Amino acid sequence: EDQVTQSPEALRLQEGESSSLNCSYTVSGLRGLFWYRQDPGKGPEFLFTLYSAGEEKEKERLKATLTKKESFLHITAPKPEDSATYLCAVRPDSWGKLQFGAGTQVVVTP
Amino acid sequence: DAGVTQSPTHLIKTRGQQVTLRCSPKSGHDTVSWYQQALGQGPQFIFQYYEEEERQRGNFPDRFSGHQFPNYSSELNVNALLLGDSALYLCASSPRGASTDTQYFGPGTRLTVL
Repeated sequence: EDQVTQSPEALRLQEGESSSLNCSYTVSGLRGLFWYRQDPGKGPEFLFTLYSAGEEKEKERLKATLTKKESFLHITAPKPEDSATYLCAVRPDSWGKLQFGAGTQVVVTP
Repeated sequence: DAGVTQSPTHLIKTRGQQVTLRCSPKSGHDTVSWYQQALGQGPQFIFQYYEEEERQRGNFPDRFSGHQFPNYSSELNVNALLLGDSALYLCASSPRGASTDTQYFGPGTRLTVL
């Protein structure tokens, strides 16, 4: 059965303290791995799509990487405005369904 | 360029009632997917519509049904509401029916069932 597991469940960081979030997945055939950011009570906001092992994408203080079994979202020198829940999702087949993990809630304090 | 829009923002219903949620996709997108997100959980896939047909469905009962209109907008209908249906319902759109393209989410409809 396809499965997506994110860790840790919650992360509290001081401003400027870099860290990494993990997304491990078990799928029969990966057709893309997606990272989203979600603020409380709002819809997920797209960050990155990764398609193959070794691929990396960057946006401001965020960098996503992909291996055959997991993906990491690195947050470099975070600011309070980076506080959010970060969701990882995989597309396990050639159709449109996204399978999400439960998310990592990140709080960055000044 | 308007993003994905959903209505209403919030909705309160009682058990046994029926509800209809609406979604307009991002300009240039023709594929609409619906997700249910319970508090503290990741979104769960309900179904996807393309060319006015249900293309793929998740593990949700037949009480959940949908429709896509010729202008690509979509509706999600839930019959015989249960307390467990309380959640944030998210609509996502993607372009041109392509299965590898990114899905962009709307702000969601918060449904509370009493």
